[in-house]
Amino acid sequence: DVKVTQSSRYLVKRTGEKVFLECVQDMDHENMFWYRQDPGLGLRLIYFSYDVKMKEKGDIPEGYSVSREKKERFSLILESASTNQTSMYLCASSGGYGYTFGSGTRLTVV
Amino acid sequence: DQQVKQNSPSLSVQEGRISILNCDYTNSMFDYFLWYKKYPAEGPTFLISISSIKDKNEDGRFTVFLNKSAKHLSLHIVPSQPGDSAVYFCAATTSGGATNKLIFGTGTLLAVQP
Repeated sequence: DVKVTQSSRYLVKRTGEKVFLECVQDMDHENMFWYRQDPGLGLRLIYFSYDVKMKEKGDIPEGYSVSREKKERFSLILESASTNQTSMYLCASSGGYGYTFGSGTRLTVV
Repeated sequence: DQQVKQNSPSLSVQEGRISILNCDYTNSMFDYFLWYKKYPAEGPTFLISISSIKDKNEDGRFTVFLNKSAKHLSLHIVPSQPGDSAVYFCAATTSGGATNKLIFGTGTLLAVQP
């Protein structure tokens, strides 16, 4: 059974902290994505990567960075967490048209 | 600029009746469309898709219709069941791209009443 695994289901962090969200896929997919889901706003793309060490900005990259040192792992970094980054974060990978999503990380910044 | 729009934030339907979820898009380059279903505290899961060379695709209780001239697609669920209660996202992409990046709509919360 193919999987996208996000390291944490729930996280609470303080304003100003550096936060790492980890995502691992076991499908040997080239493409990986980070989205955030907010009520009324749907799924918004933060960053994506189409190969190791390659990354591209999505629609809302401000305040975030990413790292892809290995094909199976795609990390989202909040450089200095702020309360407006409280959200559900979803990682996905893709080898074709569709995505396989992880279970999500509910991040609360206090 | 929202390229994929779901204008109904929520929909309530009786068990056994038909649920119709709608989606509109603005980018005429989109040629592949997908529907995802999301339960709370879980990631979205793929439901059904359609290529622009078709106008209908069916999978059990789920049917997606595509009207390219109107840039409109809809998801029909017949009969609706309480377990169908979830948020439904439509998504669109342009095939042949390097990443097949999906553009998602804002979602419709479906509540199926027993």
